[in-house]
Amino acid sequence: NAGVTQTPKFQVLKTGQSMTLQCAQDMNHEYMSWYRQDPGMGLRLIHYSVGAGITDQGEVPNGYNVSRSTTEDFPLRLLSAAPSQTSVYFCASSLGRSQDGYTFGSGTRLTVV
Amino acid sequence: AQSVTQPDIHITVSEGASLELRCNYSYGATPYLFWYVQSPGQGLQLLLKYFSGDTLVQGIKGFEAEFKRSQSSFNLRKPSVHWSDAAEYFCAVGAMEYGNKLVFGAGTILRVKS
Repeated sequence: NAGVTQTPKFQVLKTGQSMTLQCAQDMNHEYMSWYRQDPGMGLRLIHYSVGAGITDQGEVPNGYNVSRSTTEDFPLRLLSAAPSQTSVYFCASSLGRSQDGYTFGSGTRLTVV
Repeated sequence: AQSVTQPDIHITVSEGASLELRCNYSYGATPYLFWYVQSPGQGLQLLLKYFSGDTLVQGIKGFEAEFKRSQSSFNLRKPSVHWSDAAEYFCAVGAMEYGNKLVFGAGTILRVKS
C-alpha cells in the first residue's frame, strides 16, 4: 500500500516554463488536495477535489490548474512558473469526511529561477 | 472563516522534559482538530485528532491533546520528550460546514537538546 505518491521530489524550473506535479493515491480516497508550504506560513490550500470530475479553488489558486479525471490521480499544473511559486508542494487525500484527517505525500520541492 | 494560531514559532526543550505546544483556533461551531508532525524532508503525519467525545485524546508516539472549548484551544502535550521528537508540528482545524478543507497553523519547530 503506497498511500499518496508525489513525483518528482525535486524540480528546478526557469521562469516562464510550465510543468506538472504528479499525485497518485491507491486508497480509493474521494477527496484530494494540493497545498504549498512556505516558511512561517504553514500550509495553504491551492486546489482541491471532492471526486473525479470535480475540482475547486482553495486559498491561493492563481497560476495553478488542476484536473481530476480518475479517483486515483490529481495532477497540479504550473502554467508559467514564477519565482513566487518556489515552494514545497504537498498532495493530500482523505476518505471524504471532515473528521478523517488527511494522508500526505512526501512533497515536491520546486525552485523557480 | 476558520483560522488557527500557533503562538510559538520555535520551542527548545531538554530531552526527558515535558512538552506543551499551543494551538488556538477561531471557529463558531464544533471544530474538528488535528495535530500533524513533519520530520525534515518528509510529509506530514497525523499524530491525533478530535471531533467529538472525550476532550482528552491520545495519539501516536506518546502524544496527547486536550480540547478546551472555553479557551478555543487544542494544546499538544508529551510528558517526556525524546530526541527523535525534534520536528515541526502543525495544528489544523476543519468543520463539516467547510467540507473536507483543513486550515493549518504556521507550525512550531521543536528542538530537543541533550
